[in-house]
Amino acid sequence: QQQVKQSPQSLIVQKGGIPIINCAYENTAFDYFPWYQQFPGKGPALLIAIRPDVSEKKEGRFTISFNKSAKQFSLHIMDSQPGDSATYFCAASFTPRLTFGEGTQLTVNP
Amino acid sequence: DAGVIQSPRHEVTEMGQEVTLRCKPISGHNSLFWYRQTMMRGLELLIYFNNNVPIDDSGMPEDRFSAKMPNASFSTLKIQPSEPRDSAVYFCASRLAGENIQYFGAGTRLSVL
Repeated sequence: QQQVKQSPQSLIVQKGGIPIINCAYENTAFDYFPWYQQFPGKGPALLIAIRPDVSEKKEGRFTISFNKSAKQFSLHIMDSQPGDSATYFCAASFTPRLTFGEGTQLTVNP
Repeated sequence: DAGVIQSPRHEVTEMGQEVTLRCKPISGHNSLFWYRQTMMRGLELLIYFNNNVPIDDSGMPEDRFSAKMPNASFSTLKIQPSEPRDSAVYFCASRLAGENIQYFGAGTRLSVL
């Protein structure tokens, strides 16, 4: 079953907080794990991605942690800002197909 | 580059009518994907093309849905006849050969009354 489970469904933090979004997958054939960010009225846009041979990847305030044995990965947003308020989707790829998680609606309050 | 361009941005139609959604991928990209986004089911892959050829249409919900890619710069997703349960946001995405990143258009919000 090519599913990706994402939690939580929604998340509210204060400015400067560190929201964490978690995802779990089943298919060990997945070879690429991106996170997409979507603002209202826009299409999803790639935020950051990781391959399964790496345990952590950091780009600016965004970090992916990857646990291959547990088949889990997570997104951390350091020093979150109101402009980070959006819906975040994890995904897993068996190239070229992407299977998306259910999405997390993040609200960062000022 | 203008990115992936979808039209129309919004479509309101009545049940039973034919609906055609359009997509222009990023120039030079050779893979094109159609997705549907709903609150209940999230983002679902409907079909994808590689070099204008449909590769996997297993996500197409039923025979009322069809997709074509007559050339490298244009694709259509057609629903005939449309039903209220088809109401959703439909996204098109494109990808360059050898890369993993998919670039999404702004989507078409379809409402079937």
